[in-house]
Amino acid sequence: EDQVTQSPEALRLQEGESSSLNCSYTVSGLRGLFWYRQDPGKGPEFLFTLYSAGEEKEKERLKATLTKKESFLHITAPKPEDSATYLCAVQARGSTLGRLYFGRGTQLTVWP
Amino acid sequence: IAGITQAPTSQILAAGRRMTLRCTQDMRHNAMYWYRQDLGLGLRLIHYSNTAGTTGKGEVPDGYSVSRANTDDFPLTLASAVPSQTSVYFCASSDFNLNRGNEQFFGPGTRLTVL
Repeated sequence: EDQVTQSPEALRLQEGESSSLNCSYTVSGLRGLFWYRQDPGKGPEFLFTLYSAGEEKEKERLKATLTKKESFLHITAPKPEDSATYLCAVQARGSTLGRLYFGRGTQLTVWP
Repeated sequence: IAGITQAPTSQILAAGRRMTLRCTQDMRHNAMYWYRQDLGLGLRLIHYSNTAGTTGKGEVPDGYSVSRANTDDFPLTLASAVPSQTSVYFCASSDFNLNRGNEQFFGPGTRLTVL
């Protein structure tokens, strides 16, 4: 069964303290892996799509990487405004409905 | 550009009542989706539509129905609401292509409480 596991569930960082979030996945052929950011009371906001092992994407202080079994979201010198829940999702090859399998997220808090 | 709009923002509903959650997108995406998000369970797919005129069941479809009369609108109906349908509901859309992964874009959500 296709599934996604994110760790840690929660992470507290001091401003400027770099770290990484993990997304492990099991899928019968990966069509794409997606990272989203979700603020309280809001819908998920799309960040990155990764398609194949070795691929990397960057946006400001965020960098997403992909291997055959997991993805990392690296946060460099985070700021308080980076506080949010980060969601990982995968889409399986062969799926005709485009379904995303979501992990439960990592709740990131960055304090000044 | 509005993207995806959902209405209402929130609703308190008596059990047994009928309710329709509205979703409209202006991106001309072919595919649309309804998810529910519950604490500890993450986002789960309720129903989907890959193109106007077609719909399909997701992971948790029981008690819900959808229609897709045109490209832009994808309403979700609860025929007879039950307390277990208390959740936050998100509509999403994507330019779905079978050949590569397609990111989905989400609306702001509807917070529904069934008493």
